[in-house]
Amino acid sequence: EDQVTQSPEALRLQEGESSSLNCSYTVSGLRGLFWYRQDPGKGPEFLFTLYSAGEEKEKERLKATLTKKESFLHITAPKPEDSATYLCAVRGGSGGATNKLIFGTGTLLAVQP
Amino acid sequence: GAGVSQTPSNKVTEKGKYVELRCDPISGHTALYWYRQSLGQGPEFLIYFQGTGAADDSGLPNDRFFAVRPEGSVSTLKIQRTERGDSAMYLCASSLLRQMNTEAFFGQGTRLTVV
Repeated sequence: EDQVTQSPEALRLQEGESSSLNCSYTVSGLRGLFWYRQDPGKGPEFLFTLYSAGEEKEKERLKATLTKKESFLHITAPKPEDSATYLCAVRGGSGGATNKLIFGTGTLLAVQP
Repeated sequence: GAGVSQTPSNKVTEKGKYVELRCDPISGHTALYWYRQSLGQGPEFLIYFQGTGAADDSGLPNDRFFAVRPEGSVSTLKIQRTERGDSAMYLCASSLLRQMNTEAFFGQGTRLTVV
């Protein structure tokens, strides 16, 4: 069964204090790993897609990396506006025609000024 | 439209009533998903449409839940005989699902409260 586990559940950082969020996954035939940002009461906002081990993508203070078992979302010198829940999801090859995304429970990031 | 649009943004209904939630996907996106999210949890898959047909409805919790997409664009999620446990954020997403272009874009959700 496809599964996604995110850690830590919550993370509190000081402004400028870099850190990483982890997403471990079990999937039969990875067809994409996705990172989203979600603000309270809003829908998830797409950040990155990664398809193969060794791939990296960057956007402002965020960098996502992928191995065969996990993905990291690195946050460099975060600012208070980076505070949000970060969700990881995978699309796998199991289940035939399905293209559903399986989500983790997210990491709640709070960046204090 | 520029993004996925969901209406209403909030819905309060009485236990036992019927509700319909609407999703307007990004123009040209053939894939459409419905998810349900409870507080502190990740989105939970309900159903996936490719065009007009439901390609995967394995996430629908029971037969009170039904979704349609008659013309391959707008979709409606229908919940009969609502229960308090149905209270959650209902999210819709759409995707092109073309090679190397498979990300799903979400709407702002409908917050359903059953009282």
